Amino acid sequence: GAGVSQSPSNKVTEKGKDVELRCDPISGHTALYWYRQSLGQGLEFLIYFQGNSAPDKSGLPSDRFSAERTGGSVSTLTIQRTQQEDSAVYLCASSSTRGGLGYEQYFGPGTRLTVT
Amino acid sequence: AQSVSQHNHHVILSEAASLELGCNYSYGGTVNLFWYVQYPGQHLQLLLKYFSGDPLVKGIKGFEAEFIKSKFSFNLRKPSVQWSDTAEYFCAVNVMRGGADGLTFGKGTHLIIQP
Repeated sequence: GAGVSQSPSNKVTEKGKDVELRCDPISGHTALYWYRQSLGQGLEFLIYFQGNSAPDKSGLPSDRFSAERTGGSVSTLTIQRTQQEDSAVYLCASSSTRGGLGYEQYFGPGTRLTVT
Repeated sequence: AQSVSQHNHHVILSEAASLELGCNYSYGGTVNLFWYVQYPGQHLQLLLKYFSGDPLVKGIKGFEAEFIKSKFSFNLRKPSVQWSDTAEYFCAVNVMRGGADGLTFGKGTHLIIQP
């Protein structure tokens, strides 16, 4: 079946511009996560959506970062007024319990963001 | 908050050598533990996971890991590595029952297998 997809695969933007990154989770998965991967910081959790519950935003590094999940499916991560330190690979993952055995997160290929 | 420490940042082995990658976590309560692998040019894939029960878990491609609660460790092992095991390996933890919450990752171990 189809995995997690993300678009665009690469994004180059100028400092100060806003960007939107998209994630299509695996169909039927109730949970969706955003992470970022950078050389200096490794893999960092950003935000997590579970069904219709309020998202866990505890990992967002600043108020320039926000995310939405519409209709319990597609999610958009928005970064406003981008800074050079925002350059990273942004990863999306989705998960669901499998027979009540626990959540396994399946990762997408990522969006490589470069802020110039 | 939880944290994860991977002791070896770079490991170089010859084919057929045995592998053990260290992972320690810091958290006072019940945890769920994971090892992920990222092959060159590919996305993160789950190798194995521990939620509860038998502390020795087996994953894909001949990998296994042992949860030792008293040592807060979840080391990854493989008895005989192959060139195709060259990749970045990440240990991760979350704390919600069933593992639905976000993962905290270690910094990763870059494993190179020489033919």
